[in-house]
Amino acid sequence: EPEVTQTPSHQVTQMGQEVILRCVPISNHLYFYWYRQILGQKVEFLVSFYNNEISEKSEIFDDQFSVERPDGSNFTLKIRSTKLEDSAMYFCASLLGETDTQYFGPGTRLTVL
Amino acid sequence: AQKVTQAQTEISVVEKEDVTLDCVYETRDTTYYLFWYKQPPSGELVFLIRRNSFDEQNEISGRYSWNFQKSTSSFNFTITASQVVDSAVYFCALSEPQGGSEKLVFGKGTKLTVNP
Repeated sequence: EPEVTQTPSHQVTQMGQEVILRCVPISNHLYFYWYRQILGQKVEFLVSFYNNEISEKSEIFDDQFSVERPDGSNFTLKIRSTKLEDSAMYFCASLLGETDTQYFGPGTRLTVL
Repeated sequence: AQKVTQAQTEISVVEKEDVTLDCVYETRDTTYYLFWYKQPPSGELVFLIRRNSFDEQNEISGRYSWNFQKSTSSFNFTITASQVVDSAVYFCALSEPQGGSEKLVFGKGTKLTVNP
């Protein structure tokens, strides 16, 4: 069964460093998402991406964040200068079409020291 | 604005008990989708069900059942004869396709502990 994959599973970084979180969505899906879950809290929407551009972003997704689909398979989230409060689990999700279900990757746990 | 409320923060039951997880939502749209996801201790998000706003028929899948009532804006989830493996955090979520991005808005989750 096709699945969304994410790498790395755990990333530890120093405050101020740049990180890139990688996702490989399900191959024929058209909509891509990043969500964040701070430990013990709810899952929060960050950004959605369709047709090679951002379709919606939340207030959390400020200028420190960017997304890219550099080739036909990867979908990346870059945090330019990490802060302590960026420590969270980051989930990638993909969706085939508007009436379908979002499938989530296993997540990348980001720890900012 | 979209909002999902899961008033139960934590529930603890003994194995074989039935348990219902509550979900109340707010939306201005007439077309929307409701979801339940399970997050076991390992951390991944496991899709359980999707229901569109025009289908109020209740659904049963094994020990799981869902009760969707538009009149009370609720989409409750019942586990019958709970098992220890059901222990997880359960999230209810809402999406509005007319918003364009199909983003999911999650509730805060209910942590279910099933004790042997």
